[in-house]
Formats: sequence, structure tokens, C-alpha cells
Amino acid sequence: DTEVTQTPKHLVMGMTNKKSLKCEQHMGHRAMYWYKQKAKKPPELMFVYSYEKLSINESVPSRFSPECPNSSLLNLHLHALQPEDSALYLCASSQDVWAEAFFGQGTRLTVV
Amino acid sequence: KQEVTQIPAALSVPEGENLVLNCSFTDSAIYNLQWFRQDPGKGLTSLLLIQSSQREQTSGRLNASLDKSSGRSTLYIAASQPGDSATYLCAVEGNTGKLIFGQGTTLQVKP
Repeated sequence: DTEVTQTPKHLVMGMTNKKSLKCEQHMGHRAMYWYKQKAKKPPELMFVYSYEKLSINESVPSRFSPECPNSSLLNLHLHALQPEDSALYLCASSQDVWAEAFFGQGTRLTVV
Repeated sequence: KQEVTQIPAALSVPEGENLVLNCSFTDSAIYNLQWFRQDPGKGLTSLLLIQSSQREQTSGRLNASLDKSSGRSTLYIAASQPGDSATYLCAVEGNTGKLIFGQGTTLQVKP
């Protein structure tokens, strides 16, 4: 099983809302990632968690707040987003930070 | 700063053709290189991972090669099928564990 599950698949939120994206894997992977992908662009790294600790934050605005409650779950908390934050948000996991990465199907986020 | 370039940006071929997608990177100090497939509006599917010490990897009709010293990788697709139509992304990973992606090659295989 090489599945990374993301929920919800689609999300529309207002600029004053607070919402969360969820990501789950049961492959025993110890590294988990959040990527952001704008239309017709490649994914860009936002955060890396290694062994449940934040190891990379790519200077992401504080309106995005990651959380890794345990080794199988990764959340991305959203508040006070801007319309330009609308994108496909992808979660990925790997056995370790230098191992093969497996991606979820993404959450399509629209900020209105 | 690592930069990854993919050529061509788009490719349209008739069914059955063999084709080659190219990926180049500026910093040869990589841990591995990974090829992905992405269907419109979907996530990424891992196709092949080549470790820095390896020269090539094969999976079915796909073969990926890596020449680290020249900063190049190719993805060879044999006997292309309409179901192969997608965007193909290559990504390199350095010592930080961060994947850096190329812009992708959008492939259309016509029946």
C-alpha cells in the first residue's frame, strides 16, 4: 500500500475563515511534506516534518500553520488566507527524507 | 541554487512511438532523482527513483537514466499509448531532503 490520503478533496473558504487540511499515511514513513502547486507550475515545498519534528519551513507565511500530531498524520491549519493562496495543496511522505516520495491526490483550495 | 529544466515543455506523438523526455539540473550534488506523472488536477504518481550511485532504473515500458556528472536524466517511454498522456515531472533531491522540480513536459499521445 503506497497510499497517501488527503481530505477534503475540495475546499472553498472565505478570507476570514479557519480551516484545516488533513493528510494520512499508514506506510510507516517518518518524513511528511506539504507542497503548494499553482496552475501549470511545478509543486513548491512548504514544510518538511521528519520524525514528527518540523525540519524545513520554506519561509511560509504564518497564516499557514503545520501540525504533525503523530507519525501517520499531518495537518495544515489555514486562517486569514488571501485569494492568491488558492492552489492545489499536496501532501507527500517518504520512508526518510532522502527516500522515494509518495504524494496524495491533493486538496484543491479556493479562497474567496 | 539548484535549477531543474525539462525539455520539451510539450510533446505530441502518435500512438506506438518511442519517446524521450529530458531533464537537466545545475548542481550535480544530488542524493537522488525522481520521475513523476501528474494527470490534470490530480496528485503526483511516482514512476521511478534513481539513487545518485545508480545509472538507470526500469519499470515496465519506462526506463530512466542518470548522468550525474553532466547533470542530465532522460525518461524513455517505449511503445507509447493514449493512457500515457499526462504531465511528466522530474525532481532532484539534495542533502536537505527537499525535492526541486522541473517545469514538466506535457505529453499527448494520439490514438
